[in-house]
Amino acid sequence: RKEVEQDPGPFNVPEGATVAFNCTYSNSASQSFFWYRQDCRKEPKLLMSVYSSGNEDGRFTAQLNRASQYISLLIRDSKLSDSATYLCVTYQAGTALIFGKGTTLSVSS
Amino acid sequence: NAGVTQTPKFQVLKTGQSMTLQCAQDMNHEYMSWYRQDPGMGLRLIHYSVGAGITDQGEVPNGYNVSRSTTEDFPLRLLSAAPSQTSVYFCASSPGFENIQYFGAGTRLSVL
Repeated sequence: RKEVEQDPGPFNVPEGATVAFNCTYSNSASQSFFWYRQDCRKEPKLLMSVYSSGNEDGRFTAQLNRASQYISLLIRDSKLSDSATYLCVTYQAGTALIFGKGTTLSVSS
Repeated sequence: NAGVTQTPKFQVLKTGQSMTLQCAQDMNHEYMSWYRQDPGMGLRLIHYSVGAGITDQGEVPNGYNVSRSTTEDFPLRLLSAAPSQTSVYFCASSPGFENIQYFGAGTRLSVL
């Protein structure tokens, strides 16, 4: 049983494209949600938290759908530097963070 | 600020050897954790600590020990290394369970 599921990709898109990743979680008690970014052979770093009302940070938009138990990340106007693996993360009270396996994005010129 | 510092960055062990992976943070975070990352498996929690003197097991604790004598340090001990422990190990710290995790740069371990 995997609690956080992500499409592993890879997603191969040209510069300037819009790309969206989805993530589903199995535990309805999950209460906090995040997207982390991991570059090749580097440590994960927080990209953004995901709020119930949805939130935006520049070219990045995160959405949460509690009824369907999924989280999404939209990247607009993709840059070469966006190439990375994107990790979906949830938190359930009384436990630690649960990481998805990640979705790989490759942006080409 | 140094953030989370892991040493060593690379290590090769022979089966049966023991070693300690070091992790130190200078952000005065209460919560620290150890993960391993394997291809196709994602990040899996090994052990975590919610404060000095308090540790608990994560998803894959077998073969590893931890202790937390200070807020700053959270070493991970491999008792008798096995090839199945070949992996990339990340230490992380945060102010609390549900907060942003700050990761160290990782230790790449090979067990032959």
